[in-house]
Amino acid sequence: QKEVEQDPGPLSVPEGAIVSLNCTYSNSAFQYFMWYRQYSRKGPELLMYTYSSGNKEDGRFTAQVDKSSKYISLFIRDSQPSDSATYLCAMSALRNAGNMLTFGGGTRLMVKP
Amino acid sequence: DTGVSQNPRHKITKRGQNVTFRCDPISEHNRLYWYRQTLGQGPEFLTYFQNEAQLEKSRLLSDRFSAERPKGSFSTLEIQRTEQGDSAMYLCASSRTGVWEQYFGPGTRLTVT
Repeated sequence: QKEVEQDPGPLSVPEGAIVSLNCTYSNSAFQYFMWYRQYSRKGPELLMYTYSSGNKEDGRFTAQVDKSSKYISLFIRDSQPSDSATYLCAMSALRNAGNMLTFGGGTRLMVKP
Repeated sequence: DTGVSQNPRHKITKRGQNVTFRCDPISEHNRLYWYRQTLGQGPEFLTYFQNEAQLEKSRLLSDRFSAERPKGSFSTLEIQRTEQGDSAMYLCASSRTGVWEQYFGPGTRLTVT
């Protein structure tokens, strides 16, 4: 079983819809949570970053962390066709040496005009 | 801030050949990471540098793989005696000490024929 699980999709929504993307994890040591967006054949682009539990909002994006349930979410409001991409969750534990990221497998999102 | 750059962007090689990839991190970032991503999967951690010191290596990094970061600036990842299973996207990321966000380059796509 992988440490971080993510539904691969594809998730298809109409333009303007609210999108909910989720990850579950098993390692209770994870404290730092990130969401990356990756377009086809490109490198991941950092979207949101949160520490521990709670919500964080940035424009159309809201990240939520529920450490008690080991569950994180990314919400996208007023989705646009340009949001069509693969969304990767990533997490890291407090470590003495480095802070390597453990990724989910990614969810492919398609926003249709 | 010119971002993380990687060269080449795409490399096609025959099985058994050696290949070398280069990563130039964001200039003020002293931490540098290598990840590998196969089709439909999230990136997997390979190795990490703090300045010029290689501080952590994944068990995914077989003895055919070697990474260097002379003078704590750019880094190279060499794969010797390539195998078809090495075909993947090799991603480089960088960050500053004490900051958890990692910024990725565009990746080098390796195809072993």
